[in-house]
Amino acid sequence: NAGVTQTPKFQVLKTGQSMTLQCAQDMNHNSMYWYRQDPGMGLRLIYYSASEGTTDKGEVPNGYNVSRLNKREFSLRLESAAPSQTSVYFCASKRNTPYEQYFGPGTRLTVT
Amino acid sequence: TQLLEQSPQFLSIQEGENLTVYCNSSSVFSSLQWYRQEPGEGPVLLVTVVTGGEVKKLKRLTFQFGDARKDSSLHITAAQTGDTGLYLCAGQLYLLMNTGNQFYFGTGTSLTVIP
Repeated sequence: NAGVTQTPKFQVLKTGQSMTLQCAQDMNHNSMYWYRQDPGMGLRLIYYSASEGTTDKGEVPNGYNVSRLNKREFSLRLESAAPSQTSVYFCASKRNTPYEQYFGPGTRLTVT
Repeated sequence: TQLLEQSPQFLSIQEGENLTVYCNSSSVFSSLQWYRQEPGEGPVLLVTVVTGGEVKKLKRLTFQFGDARKDSSLHITAAQTGDTGLYLCAGQLYLLMNTGNQFYFGTGTSLTVIP
């Protein structure tokens, strides 16, 4: 049982380049999330998907797009990367009871 | 500004000491979670509290949800080196139209337990 998987683990981009972060879960969870983690700021929600076919903005959605490809997969796209998007990105999924999120190992992104 | 403020931000203590970490807000939460995060990994859920005044114990860790559901605390008794990590609180806002899907995280407390 892999839980939540993320690819890639590390990525370096130049300003203006685009990329897609991939996330998949095998726990049959309806809800999935993308967060970014920056020093001293905890985790901030970028986008979430309450169910297949729906997506909603979180606290910091600007500069990002998401796709809920199916129940298992939720991808995050940076169309034109900026240095301010240097961060660690975490994907999570949530059990169908209200509270528990399960996190992936993270993607460390550096934009130069 | 963060919806959930944690204090202290950094804590360094000797093995065997006790400590308390606080998570405070001016908003009401329908539930609150505590996570621990190791370097290079994602957060791992420790506990969820849902009732005002609720106290939960997990071995040497005691979690309390404030009566008004605006704050929470994590108390560790006789800290061990294995307790070292980043502790994060997170909550779901209590809103009439809240679907229960959006979580807000605290700023984090980095704990180092020295042998």
